Amino acid sequence: AQKVTQAQTEISVVEKEDVTLDCVYETRDTTYYLFWYKQPPSGELVFLIRRNSFDEQNEISGRYSWNFQKSTSSFNFTITASQVVDSAVYFCALISSGSARQLTFGSGTQLTVLP
Amino acid sequence: DTGVSQNPRHKITKRGQNVTFRCDPISEHNRLYWYRQTLGQGPEFLTYFQNEAQLEKSRLLSDRFSAERPKGSFSTLEIQRTEQGDSAMYLCASSRGHLNTEAFFGQGTRLTVV
Repeated sequence: AQKVTQAQTEISVVEKEDVTLDCVYETRDTTYYLFWYKQPPSGELVFLIRRNSFDEQNEISGRYSWNFQKSTSSFNFTITASQVVDSAVYFCALISSGSARQLTFGSGTQLTVLP
Repeated sequence: DTGVSQNPRHKITKRGQNVTFRCDPISEHNRLYWYRQTLGQGPEFLTYFQNEAQLEKSRLLSDRFSAERPKGSFSTLEIQRTEQGDSAMYLCASSRGHLNTEAFFGQGTRLTVV
């Protein structure tokens, strides 16, 4: 069985603050992929990043960065200098070789960036 | 191609009625997924197609639910004898692969059963 936990239900920050969204995962498989998706009010899930279990290098894309640590089974997401347009629900998800046909999502973190 | 398209975007139905949703995936994607999302939760897997073959169904998919993908292109999800507990957002996604490629999601169909 696999599981994704996003302990932060809601986070509010003021524009230009940095914010980190936490994600902890569980899987027995050694081959797996981790994802982050953004869900704005329109409802469509927007893909942000994919990392495989063999690549622990951190990644930066503009104001976004991801910290993958196998030792703590975590895949945290940081937004630097947040903007109002970053307000959305963010989901962490996992797919593994043992259940390769389905993504397992966390319950999401509602991020509100205040002007 | 503009992405995964779902219709209708919203559906209100009376308990006991049947409803059908449609999903048009990205054209070159042979894998198609249905997920259900309730308020405050992440999407939960319902079923998966590779081309026209339905290869996996979640235990969440009761016998009132049926999905088809007759020609390996668009898919339909039908719910018979709807119940209030069926109220949710139904999301469709498509991908080229599954383990190592991202799934692209549609905007979903929000079902309200009254």
